[in-house]
Amino acid sequence: DAGITQSPRYKITETGRQVTLMCHQTWSHSYMFWYRQDLGHGLRLIYYSAAADITDKGEVPDGYVVSRSKTENFPLTLESATRSQTSVYFCASSESGGTNEKLFFGSGTQLSVL
Amino acid sequence: KNQVEQSPQSLIILEGKNCTLQCNYTVSPFSNLRWYKQDTGRGPVSLTIMTFSENTKSNGRYTATLDADTKQSSLHITASQLSDSASYICVVSPVYYGNNRLAFGKGNQVVVIP
Repeated sequence: DAGITQSPRYKITETGRQVTLMCHQTWSHSYMFWYRQDLGHGLRLIYYSAAADITDKGEVPDGYVVSRSKTENFPLTLESATRSQTSVYFCASSESGGTNEKLFFGSGTQLSVL
Repeated sequence: KNQVEQSPQSLIILEGKNCTLQCNYTVSPFSNLRWYKQDTGRGPVSLTIMTFSENTKSNGRYTATLDADTKQSSLHITASQLSDSASYICVVSPVYYGNNRLAFGKGNQVVVIP
């Protein structure tokens, strides 16, 4: 049972480069989410998706792009990376959009923008 | 202002001892309050989910309590083990929004020493 997997685990890139973080889940969950985690902040929602081809902005979407052509994949792209995007990124999924639905997280991608 | 405040920010406890973590929130109305455990370098893992009408929820040695009147929750760890060393995150879900409007605390960092 692979669950939810993220790749790469670690990534170093340079300012201005495009980088894509991958997220794959094997549960066929409808909802998928991207969060970033920074010191001094709680987890902050970047984008989420309710189903294939349905995405919406979260709290901090600027500088990020997402797509969801298949239910199981939800990649996050930084079109032109900036130092402020250095962070740990977590992908998560839930079976539906119900208010009491449990959220399952991946192990994270640690991104450093130099 | 953060809608979820956790205290203490960090604490060190001896193996075998008990500890209690606090969460104060301003989210209102809310549908549920959750506690997650996040090991270093890993994604958060759900410990408990309590709806607004529940007062307590247990998961092994972890017991969460909720007082909706005072908007306070606590997580009690009994007979701590070295594996309890982690960050514990309090999360509140506002009514109507499901997982796309969760309010995350910054976490309580717990270190258990032998």
